[in-house]
Amino acid sequence: NAGVTQTPKFRILKIGQSMTLQCTQDMNHNYMYWYRQDPGMGLKLIYYSVGAGITDKGEVPNGYNVSRSTTEDFPLRLELAAPSQTSVYFCASSTVNSGANVLTFGAGSRLTVL
Amino acid sequence: ILNVEQSPQSLHVQEGDSTNFTCSFPSSNFYALHWYRWETAKSPEALFVMTLNGDEKKKGRISATLNTKEGYSYLYIKGSQPEDSATYLCASYGSSNTGKLIFGQGTTLQVKP
Repeated sequence: NAGVTQTPKFRILKIGQSMTLQCTQDMNHNYMYWYRQDPGMGLKLIYYSVGAGITDKGEVPNGYNVSRSTTEDFPLRLELAAPSQTSVYFCASSTVNSGANVLTFGAGSRLTVL
Repeated sequence: ILNVEQSPQSLHVQEGDSTNFTCSFPSSNFYALHWYRWETAKSPEALFVMTLNGDEKKKGRISATLNTKEGYSYLYIKGSQPEDSATYLCASYGSSNTGKLIFGQGTTLQVKP
């Protein structure tokens, strides 16, 4: 099993450009998450999904969009990139009994907006 | 808005010292509390999931306790080693099993040889 796979690992964007961070998991997990790493702030939740077709906002959703058309995939779209979106993004997943089951994280995607 | 707070923000100890840090979370509608270990340039890795008041978990030299009535959890490291240097994150849910898992800001531990 590959676990949680994120692509790309690194990307540099210009202000105003758009891009999609891809996340796929092969563990048949229902719950999927996108977090961003802010220095000194730990991980901030952007969006999450409890199953295919269901998504909900986290703590910092502005400037991002998600979709969940399949159980495996949970892409994160950045529209009109801004320098404030420079961060490391982590995708994660867990099984349906999410409280009792920990998250499995991807390797992270480092995004720089210049 | 769910607030998960960790203290201290950072900690420097000598090899062999024992240490502990705190995670505070809202006690109402508690569902579960997670602890993760996060090394620099890597992804967070799970340590514990705790669900019951009074729960105690142990993994090697690391242990954790949970008080859901007062809304806190302690993580203890006995006899710290340089390889314990990492950021330790806790996370909790907004309400029972909504899936919305919120992290604290982390405690960064540096263990000097």
